[in-house]
Amino acid sequence: GAVVSQHPSRVICKSGTSVKIECRSLDFQATTMFWYRQFPKQSLMLMATSNEGSKATYEQGVEKDKFLINHASLTLSTLTVTSAHPEDSSFYICSAPRAGDRNNEQFFGPGTRLTVL
Amino acid sequence: GEDVEQSLFLSVREGDSSVINCTYTDSSSTYLYWYKQEPGAGLQLLTYIFSNMDMKQDQRLTVLLNKKDKHLSLRIADTQTGDSAIYFCAESSYSSASKIIFGSGTRLSIRP
Repeated sequence: GAVVSQHPSRVICKSGTSVKIECRSLDFQATTMFWYRQFPKQSLMLMATSNEGSKATYEQGVEKDKFLINHASLTLSTLTVTSAHPEDSSFYICSAPRAGDRNNEQFFGPGTRLTVL
Repeated sequence: GEDVEQSLFLSVREGDSSVINCTYTDSSSTYLYWYKQEPGAGLQLLTYIFSNMDMKQDQRLTVLLNKKDKHLSLRIADTQTGDSAIYFCAESSYSSASKIIFGSGTRLSIRP
């Protein structure tokens, strides 16, 4: 099966610092990856679509300068939360469809829990 | 825009069937999904159905799709304690490639 990993799984940081979260497809290539955030007891909200070799596409209401996305290779996308504040504390999840997969199945990472103090 | 709605809670007795319902608004939805999320964990794809199907069965899981009413349901037969989780309904449309829109999730609890 296809595996997506995220690193770190948990991070605690001070307010004002930047945090980088990695999403890797371990055994398949992904030209597109998706970043979601999930508040406690709520649904996943799509933040942005990460495109390999080009700029990310952000959903309405998501600040692109706040949440920097870089899709450096066919197996890695990074999300950097810049100048983090307590309201950025959330569970961040990435997903990736396998490139060329007609079934459109997405594989989700285990998530990263960010706590900003 | 696209919207997916589902009830927040469902409680069933162990051994009974669970039915989780979902409605969506996007008439161009091509794929409809059910995901399971256990506490503190990521998402697990349970099953999905193409919009040109009206039913799909996979062991204890049965998915019913009423495309006219834009209504999707997930039936879990012989519900077990290990089925306790949050179940998310989700959809994606062909035109938006792999972008997936999630419902709010239904928390399924099992009582003895």
